[in-house]
Amino acid sequence: SQKIEQNSEALNIQEGKTATLTCNYTNYSPAYLQWYRQDPGRGPVFLLLIRENEKEKRKERLKVTFDTTLKQSLFHITASQPADSATYLCALNRMDSNYQLIWGAGTKLIIKP
Amino acid sequence: GAVVSQHPSWVICKSGTSVKIECRSLDFQATTMFWYRQFPKQSLMLMATSNEGSKATYEQGVEKDKFLINHASLTLSTLTVTSAHPEDSSFYICSILRGRGTDTQYFGPGTRLTVL
Repeated sequence: SQKIEQNSEALNIQEGKTATLTCNYTNYSPAYLQWYRQDPGRGPVFLLLIRENEKEKRKERLKVTFDTTLKQSLFHITASQPADSATYLCALNRMDSNYQLIWGAGTKLIIKP
Repeated sequence: GAVVSQHPSWVICKSGTSVKIECRSLDFQATTMFWYRQFPKQSLMLMATSNEGSKATYEQGVEKDKFLINHASLTLSTLTVTSAHPEDSSFYICSILRGRGTDTQYFGPGTRLTVL
């Protein structure tokens, strides 16, 4: 079955540095991968989508890479700020669906001033 | 992005009662809505896919008679947790899909259900 792994330990980063989060998946070759941000007690908010034929995508201070050989996506936040502190979720389209998603458990990012 | 609201934002109920949660798409007519459940520090678990005007499609292991979903209009889907028990206590979140061919989901703020 499809499986997504994100580092369950919180990631502590000093303000101004680059934060890098990892998403690994197995048993599948997804058509796309998405990253969302979730604040405590709130629903996720879409950040970026990257398709299988794309290596990298950027949006302001965010960058996502997609390595289909390693079955891994990296999510980078440059010049990190305390306001970037949140849990970041990655999601893949399901093998049997073009629009339903399966989700990682998320990595909690803490940016220290 | 799309604006999705949920009501109530939190609810506490007694065991055995039923609770209805509303999900509204405020600026888009959503033919497809999703209902998720999330336990603390766990991933989002899809419960069901709701299509306007037809019966919801439930995920394996989700009891359709316990979690009643009604997608009566393009802007409203409801989830009713019937005969709630403490193990149903969770964070319930809905999302919408903005049309076919799009892959991004827009989420509501979630509803925290606590069953005593």
